[in-house]
Amino acid sequence: NAGVTQTPKFQVLKTGQSMTLQCAQDMNHNSMYWYRQDPGMGLRLIYYSASEGTTDKGEVPNGYNVSRLNKREFSLRLESAAPSQTSVYFCASSERTSLITSGYTDTQYFGPGTRLTVL
Amino acid sequence: AQKVTQAQTEISVVEKEDVTLDCVYETRDTTYYLFWYKQPPSGELVFLIRRNSFDEQNEISGRYSWNFQKSTSSFNFTITASQVVDSAVYFCALSEANYGGATNKLIFGTGTLLAVQP
Repeated sequence: NAGVTQTPKFQVLKTGQSMTLQCAQDMNHNSMYWYRQDPGMGLRLIYYSASEGTTDKGEVPNGYNVSRLNKREFSLRLESAAPSQTSVYFCASSERTSLITSGYTDTQYFGPGTRLTVL
Repeated sequence: AQKVTQAQTEISVVEKEDVTLDCVYETRDTTYYLFWYKQPPSGELVFLIRRNSFDEQNEISGRYSWNFQKSTSSFNFTITASQVVDSAVYFCALSEANYGGATNKLIFGTGTLLAVQP
């Protein structure tokens, strides 16, 4: 049981190049997420997928696209990389774990991250 | 709007000292969840704890304890007898309860870097 895996771990791009970050989970979770982490800003949500076949924008979606390939895999694509996209990217997946009154939440589990540098 | 504030950017302590990491949150919902995650120097994010807004009991897990106070909108994290292995960035996060089919989104604080010196 590997949990959440991400590839690659490191990547250097030139401005204008494109690439896809891969994420896979083996926990049978319905929901998956992509975040970016920048110094002093915590983690910010780029896109998420509540279930297979659906995707939605998060806080900072501009410059990115996503694909929920199947229940296990959720990829993040940079079509034309910019220096402002230099960051550490985390993928996460979640299970619905808690029920209080009529509301519930998900606990998110994270992958190891991809460190991307755009020159 | 939801917001999580971790005012302590960096904390440095000597091994065996107790240390408290502060977390203050804002939300208009009455039903919500709070989380703490640990990010060690290796970079991965590790889930530590989840609490719901109806449960204000303090929680203790070994050297870790959490104090949730709705009156002050705080969810503070204390490490007792700190160790070098506790050195990490710690993130507090908030999500509102979900009543529908969509998933929840986490709102993260900016993190507190804890350095434990030997």
